[in-house]
Amino acid sequence: DAKTTQPPSMDCAEGRAANLPCNHSTISGNEYVYWYRQIHSQGPQYIIHGLKNNETNEMASLIITEDRKSSTLILPHATLRDTAVYYCIVRVQSNFGNEKLTFGTGTRLTIIP
Amino acid sequence: GAVVSQHPSRVICKSGTSVKIECRSLDFQATTMFWYRQFPKQSLMLMATSNEGSKATYEQGVEKDKFLINHASLTLSTLTVTSAHPEDSSFYICSADAWGGTGTAYEQYFGPGTRLTVT
Repeated sequence: DAKTTQPPSMDCAEGRAANLPCNHSTISGNEYVYWYRQIHSQGPQYIIHGLKNNETNEMASLIITEDRKSSTLILPHATLRDTAVYYCIVRVQSNFGNEKLTFGTGTRLTIIP
Repeated sequence: GAVVSQHPSRVICKSGTSVKIECRSLDFQATTMFWYRQFPKQSLMLMATSNEGSKATYEQGVEKDKFLINHASLTLSTLTVTSAHPEDSSFYICSADAWGGTGTAYEQYFGPGTRLTVT
């Protein structure tokens, strides 16, 4: 699976949009971009994933550049509960539910009141 | 979304004893489950892939005789830390893939984790 590069930490004011970047310049054509977050002392939580189109769900939006070498996770109105470590992961699509995830160091996002 | 549970959430054991951690998929079947370990202020490290009905696949550097994995059914995998030592103290997390609500790909769902402290 391709490696990803994320800034180690970011701050965002409460109520503002949090934009978390991720570089994945060696991504292959069949690899998806996944985002997870981990709140302290909990298991990671799935946020969103995409292949090449921008995606939006109730939690966040995912913007993937046209060349797919980078992406941005957007939390539109950050709250204090969004403080967590955010992981950007790329992996091939699993057809049988047996593809492992490889976690990098992630971005520690702190929402400031 | 799919729910994965773990039991216990916390365990303290004495050095030299064995500890079993259970991972269950509550509303879906998982032929494959994954076990991760996380030390303080570090990222998750995959330990092994647990396959229902067959042997687990261990990552390089993980002792298979120390971390015994049994995938007894499509909804249950167990990790047993044998002869635990203080350096095994860590946060152990399991996960499983489930077909996502978007209908476009599998999404991996994680359990809440088990914090093991070996004294």
